[in-house]
Amino acid sequence: DSGVTQTPKHLITATGQRVTLRCSPRSGDLSVYWYQQSLDQGLQFLIQYYNGEERAKGNILERFSAQQFPDLHSELNLSSLELGDSALYFCASSWTVTGELFFGEGSRLTVL
Amino acid sequence: ELKVEQNPLFLSMQEGKNYTIYCNYSTTSDRLYWYRQDPGKSLESLFVLLSNGAVKQEGRLMASLDTKARLSTLHITAAVHDLSATYFCAVVVQGAQKLVFGQGTRLTINP
Repeated sequence: DSGVTQTPKHLITATGQRVTLRCSPRSGDLSVYWYQQSLDQGLQFLIQYYNGEERAKGNILERFSAQQFPDLHSELNLSSLELGDSALYFCASSWTVTGELFFGEGSRLTVL
Repeated sequence: ELKVEQNPLFLSMQEGKNYTIYCNYSTTSDRLYWYRQDPGKSLESLFVLLSNGAVKQEGRLMASLDTKARLSTLHITAAVHDLSATYFCAVVVQGAQKLVFGQGTRLTINP
């Protein structure tokens, strides 16, 4: 158990819908990362937050947004969902901005 | 832009054999991580390599870092079936506060 908690573990929804994925980092970790893992594109970095502020942005679509709250938990919002958004979404946390990442169990999103 | 390339991407080997996975990266970095992922599961941290010449070992796995060559290796000794998984290296982009992952190496160890 890494100490990083993600909910929900599984989510099935339809195209055009909107979902929110939630992540609670390890106790004491200030940095939160979001990654998307699909079969054909490997592990793609989406976005990073540190202590509530956005620190780095990767290949995150405009339909996706994220934020980190004062209690340090983070949410990833995915809207206008498409079939291609089906993937495993991982949250990871670290104590510093470039420290060792600890990954949650992931949220598996299926868009039908 | 930092590029991280792993080689090979797929590796099938027999139990008892030795093999090495390579991780090359394109720009300066002094921090590299290795992770393991079982199918459908989370990523588990294996090694943190923080300086040139760093070598770490855990059981049948040994990782090393050569920052001058921009190369890290993950060596598997006398492989056993339980080591079957996908292995990722990840490199910190100096000054950019960003961690970039390689494509992953899917390792299958056959009895």
